[in-house]
Amino acid sequence: EAGVAQSPRYKIIEKRQSVAFWCNPISGHATLYWYQQILGQGPKLLIQFQNNGVVDDSQLPKDRFSAERLKGVDSTLKIQPAKLEDSAVYLCASSLAVQGQAYGYTFGSGTRLTVV
Amino acid sequence: LAKITQPISMDSYEGQEVNITCSHNNIATNDYITWYQQFPSQGPRFIIQGYKTKVTNEVASLFIPADRKSSTLSLPRVSLSDTAVYYCLVVINNAGNMLTFGGGTRLMVKP
Repeated sequence: EAGVAQSPRYKIIEKRQSVAFWCNPISGHATLYWYQQILGQGPKLLIQFQNNGVVDDSQLPKDRFSAERLKGVDSTLKIQPAKLEDSAVYLCASSLAVQGQAYGYTFGSGTRLTVV
Repeated sequence: LAKITQPISMDSYEGQEVNITCSHNNIATNDYITWYQQFPSQGPRFIIQGYKTKVTNEVASLFIPADRKSSTLSLPRVSLSDTAVYYCLVVINNAGNMLTFGGGTRLMVKP
């Protein structure tokens, strides 16, 4: 089974620039998540999609972050404009979303963003 | 949300059994306990999940006492490749399966 694909693997941008990350989940996984992981910390959920609808975006800094999941498959996460504190690894995960069954989650390898 | 507490770091040696204990005092009735493993430059990977008593798979065992306020991940005979961060999570069964990560336990296995 193919895993969760993310690109790019690494990105370096200057502050105030824009950046976009792409995620292709496992085929058939209805639920897709974006997490932000700052160095030395655990991942923090940014947004959760169920098919192409947003389930939870309460921790997404909406003044600069946006995400979409058109057609309920691929997803993009955008930051505009970026700040130094956005430097982190951005992880995408997908799951079958079966209640209580966390083993259905699969994470991608992430995109490491450095804002300078 | 269940408040989760686990050691920040642990050291072990190859061949030893490692037990990482996690406390989750206010876990809800329908919540499950889940452990993930994360290597550098990779996303977290599911290890094991349980609701109560004991669960064992090819990688680890998970011990959960009757009150479910804590759990212990047991890794038998660790090797250098088990050096990673281990996250204890409570799966919120009524919130669309959202995963809430804490700081994790950094396990260092030494030769």
